[in-house]
Amino acid sequence: IAGITQAPTSQILAAGRRMTLRCTQDMRHNAMYWYRQDLGLGLRLIHYSNTAGTTGKGEVPDGYSVSRANTDDFPLTLASAVPSQTSVYFCASSTDLKTEAFFGQGTRLTVV
Amino acid sequence: GDSVTQMEGPVTLSEEAFLTINCTYTATGYPSLFWYVQYPGEGLQLLLKATKADDKGSNKGFEATYRKETTSFHLEKGSVQVSDSAVYFCALRDYKLSFGAGTTVTVRA
Repeated sequence: IAGITQAPTSQILAAGRRMTLRCTQDMRHNAMYWYRQDLGLGLRLIHYSNTAGTTGKGEVPDGYSVSRANTDDFPLTLASAVPSQTSVYFCASSTDLKTEAFFGQGTRLTVV
Repeated sequence: GDSVTQMEGPVTLSEEAFLTINCTYTATGYPSLFWYVQYPGEGLQLLLKATKADDKGSNKGFEATYRKETTSFHLEKGSVQVSDSAVYFCALRDYKLSFGAGTTVTVRA
C-alpha cells in the first residue's frame, strides 16, 4: 500500500452502536487527522495527533474518541452512534504541522 | 481563530472559459495556504500550495498567489476542461488545517 488507507469504505450503523473507523498510513508522517465532510459545511476537524502518543481535539470532537498508539494507525471511535454523525469521514496525515496533508478515500457512514 | 472564506457555488462554466474562485482568510500568524480538489466519489487531492507572501502556486494550469495585503489566495485557470469539474477547497495551515466550505465547479462541453 502507498499513502493512507481507510476502512470500511462505507457502513450503515444502527443508532446506539459502537463503531471504529480505521486509518493506516505508510508514509511515516508524524501528524494525523480526522475530518468529517458535510454538505455546505466543508471539512471540519474532529481530532488530531501531532505525534504518536498524543492527541488533541478539533472543532467537533463530541461523541468521538481517538488513540495514537503508534505512528501508522489513528482509529476513530464512535462510542454510541447518533444520526447526526451520518457523514463522510476522512483521515489525513502530514509530515508536520506546517506541511500539506494527504487524504484517504473516505468512509461513508450512515447512522439509522 | 484561523478561518477561510471562499466563494459560494455552484459555478457552471462552458469549456475553455476562465475560472476564478475567490478565497480570503483570517489568521493571526503566517499560515501556509492550499487549494485542494475533490473529484466525485474521491478523497481530497492537493492541487497547489504557497507557503509565504507573494508565492505563486501552480499545477495543471491552475494558479493562485498568496496576497498578504489582501489576505487572499484566489484560484484561477485560463481555460477549463470538462475534466476540471470537481469541488475545490481553499485551506490554510497554521498549526492545524482549516478548510473553506468548498466550491462546486461544473464545466459543460
